[in-house]
Amino acid sequence: TQLLEQSPQFLSIQEGENLTVYCNSSSVFSSLQWYRQEPGEGPVLLVTVVTGGEVKKLKRLTFQFGDARKDSSLHITAAQPGDTGLYLCAGGQGAQKLVFGQGTRLTINP
Amino acid sequence: DAGITQSPRHKVTETGTPVTLRCHQTENHRYMYWYRQDPGHGLRLIHYSYGVKDTDKGEVSDGYSVSRSKTEDFLLTLESATSSQTSVYFCAISDDRGTYEQYFGPGTRLTVT
Repeated sequence: TQLLEQSPQFLSIQEGENLTVYCNSSSVFSSLQWYRQEPGEGPVLLVTVVTGGEVKKLKRLTFQFGDARKDSSLHITAAQPGDTGLYLCAGGQGAQKLVFGQGTRLTINP
Repeated sequence: DAGITQSPRHKVTETGTPVTLRCHQTENHRYMYWYRQDPGHGLRLIHYSYGVKDTDKGEVSDGYSVSRSKTEDFLLTLESATSSQTSVYFCAISDDRGTYEQYFGPGTRLTVT
């Protein structure tokens, strides 16, 4: 089974600071996705990256797929309280399945 | 938002009783999945379906069975519920474009006492 390790598992910072969340594996994935989940709700897809080295931006969020397609990062610039939530990375594996990291619980304090 | 509903949203049941959770989609997607989410474990795949009557096991399938008799419905059954199956259960759907993108339902919180 392919594994995805996310770090850090918990992060609490002040509004306006920058942060980076990492998602690492020893396995190659055909695609890598990031989801955000709020309490009492299901995960919501933020972005999909499929090409090694690919960078995608979503407002203040920047997502990068590693050159070897084994790792990814999520960088948030000038974090806001609305960014608070659980961030999950997921890698695509055979038969249209995903393997998920354990998640990073992010808290942005006003 | 993708049209996915789950029922019930909350359930409390006793050890040893059978429980069935329902996932319903209106997107006509081919793939459907059942996950459980527990603290420190992220989302773990229980079973998935790649078409009507076509299902396969995920990494934590023991004690669970599934059925898919129609494209829109995917049922998860706990044959004899145990306390270790207390969890939040999510259904997800995916099309067959090869992007692996999945869209999740709102979840069912199950407590086994």
